[in-house]
Amino acid sequence: EIVMTQSPATLSVSPGERATLSCRASQSVSSNLAWYQQKPGQTPRLLISGASTRATGIPARFSGSGSGTEFTLTISSLQSEDFAVYYCQQYNNWPGTFGQGTKLEIK
Amino acid sequence: QVQLQESGPGLVKPSQTLSLTCTVSGGSISSGSYYWSWIRQPAGKGLEWIGRIFTSGTTNYNPSLKSRVTISVDTSKNQFSLKLSSVTAADTAVYYCVGAVAGTVLYWGQGTLVTVSS
Repeated sequence: EIVMTQSPATLSVSPGERATLSCRASQSVSSNLAWYQQKPGQTPRLLISGASTRATGIPARFSGSGSGTEFTLTISSLQSEDFAVYYCQQYNNWPGTFGQGTKLEIK
Repeated sequence: QVQLQESGPGLVKPSQTLSLTCTVSGGSISSGSYYWSWIRQPAGKGLEWIGRIFTSGTTNYNPSLKSRVTISVDTSKNQFSLKLSSVTAADTAVYYCVGAVAGTVLYWGQGTLVTVSS
């Protein structure tokens, strides 16, 4: 099973600033990497697939990059609605596995 | 818009079998593009993919749960189901039924909390 490790566990950022979240895979997953956003009491929402392709309706301030084992989700200018938990997920191998999440909180 | 809804007991006794059903609306479960899965999330923890079923009936299970899991589909009712046997407290979690394509989850049920306790 591929282990996904996200860092940091918690990230404190002020509104309007940039946030950079990292995800590392225990072995190469090529570009088969997705990012999800989960707000309290809600189900996760797909943000990015293929490491860098935004899902339908996702604002351009969200961008993904990376391939192989190292990936990054960048939120260019944080809005109040962006404070949530973010998960990365690999789907190169079955079962798809998720990172433990990064909680993005207001500084 | 495809919608999913889980149903089943919220409390299961240790050593018994957890059974959940997911009803799909707004689209046919037989659509060739999707496969249907169960994912769970223990309180305060991350997400774990339990298993998936394709419209052909082919299933894949997480190796860590494989000996205890069965996922099935009833196309006539537009439903798919999960059975997890010999449950313990470690199986307490919110269980989501989801629709996925190409490895990514597009549709989520609202989730149902299943507690394993005597």
